[in-house]
Amino acid sequence: QSALTQPPSASGSPGQSVTISCTGTSSDVGAYNYVSWYQQHPGKAPKLMISEVTKRPSGVPDRFSGSKSGNTASLTVSGLQAEDEADYYCSSYAGSNIFFVFGTGTKVTVL
Amino acid sequence: EVQLVESGGGLVQPGGSLRLSCAASGFALSDHYMDWARQAPGKGLEWVGRTRNKANSYTTEYAASVRGRFTISRDDSKSSLYLQMNSLKTEDTALYYCVRRVFVAFDIWGPGTMVTVSS
Repeated sequence: QSALTQPPSASGSPGQSVTISCTGTSSDVGAYNYVSWYQQHPGKAPKLMISEVTKRPSGVPDRFSGSKSGNTASLTVSGLQAEDEADYYCSSYAGSNIFFVFGTGTKVTVL
Repeated sequence: EVQLVESGGGLVQPGGSLRLSCAASGFALSDHYMDWARQAPGKGLEWVGRTRNKANSYTTEYAASVRGRFTISRDDSKSSLYLQMNSLKTEDTALYYCVRRVFVAFDIWGPGTMVTVSS
């Protein structure tokens, strides 16, 4: 099972928006509304930011939002702040044989 | 505070074995599915496997890359999760995370424990 495809990098100035894509197949992203997004700062464990495509856990700012169209999911960070600079990974449930697959990761830089 | 803390990582030779532990606190381990994930140095995340909770018979599933070599177990009475790794390969070198799962998302992560497979 190949990893989901994400752009290696994305950037924006403070206050701007950045959108990260996560492309899978009809067997994972396209088959289920079970895409999650994780933020990882250097040397730290990942943190859940979005579950089930659009759901924000308690404590996650509403600047973070998720969506999906076909085999591609997206994470949008609005009103970029310095602390948003991190690596972001998507993940999708991929059925009862593969189970879960992660994306390749995107490094977000706040200019 | 809800917390997971892994231990047991270290340096092991190819073909060797290692057992990782994960101590859970701040929540009832017995209620949750628990997973292991890993991250090779400078690389992305990889799902390793999971154990269901008691209500679902503690069944386990694994990624193809570790199936037959790794075994996940748990002791809810000790609030602990384990990962037994046998026949280790150099490509198993990674930071191993213990992760709590809520439905299809991984909501709590431990800080990780490093496993290095090298001769």
